Amino acid sequence: EPEVTQTPSHQVTQMGQEVILRCVPISNHLYFYWYRQILGQKVEFLVSFYNNEISEKSEIFDDQFSVERPDGSNFTLKIRSTKLEDSAMYFCASSPGHSYGYTFGSGTRLTVV
Amino acid sequence: AQSVSQHNHHVILSEAASLELGCNYSYGGTVNLFWYVQYPGQHLQLLLKYFSGDPLVKGIKGFEAEFIKSKFSFNLRKPSVQWSDTAEYFCAVGNSGGYQKVTFGTGTKLQVIP
Repeated sequence: EPEVTQTPSHQVTQMGQEVILRCVPISNHLYFYWYRQILGQKVEFLVSFYNNEISEKSEIFDDQFSVERPDGSNFTLKIRSTKLEDSAMYFCASSPGHSYGYTFGSGTRLTVV
Repeated sequence: AQSVSQHNHHVILSEAASLELGCNYSYGGTVNLFWYVQYPGQHLQLLLKYFSGDPLVKGIKGFEAEFIKSKFSFNLRKPSVQWSDTAEYFCAVGNSGGYQKVTFGTGTKLQVIP
């Protein structure tokens, strides 16, 4: 069964550093998403991406966040200057269309120290 | 804005007991509804989804959910749980538009005791 692949599985970074979280969505999917889950809290929507542009973003997705699909296969989330409160599990998801559920990746656990 | 409420935060059942997890949503338009499961140490997986048609939806692993529009509910059920069903269960609602942002509930931790 096709999978959404995320790398790395765990990243530790110092506060103020930039991180890039990488995702390879399923190849024929058209919609891409980032969600995050702070430990013990619910899964929160960050951003959706379609046709090479952001289609919707949440209040969490402020100027320190950006997304890119640099080469038609990877889908990256960049956090420019990490804060302690960015520590969370970040999930990438993709979908072939709006009549389908998402397929989630296994997540990247980001720890900001 | 759409929102989802899951009433049970932690449920403990013995094997073979029946399960019902509550989910209520609020959204003014046409909704798509989902249940996701997260097994310990694993990623989110889709259990089942409702988009239209028969309001009783069957998913994987013997789970089903019933969409009751008048009650804004989408409760998850399983007649007989197994130890392997121990996991966290998330109800989610999406708008039926193209980008389908999905809003998750806070999750229900299910612990099945052998």
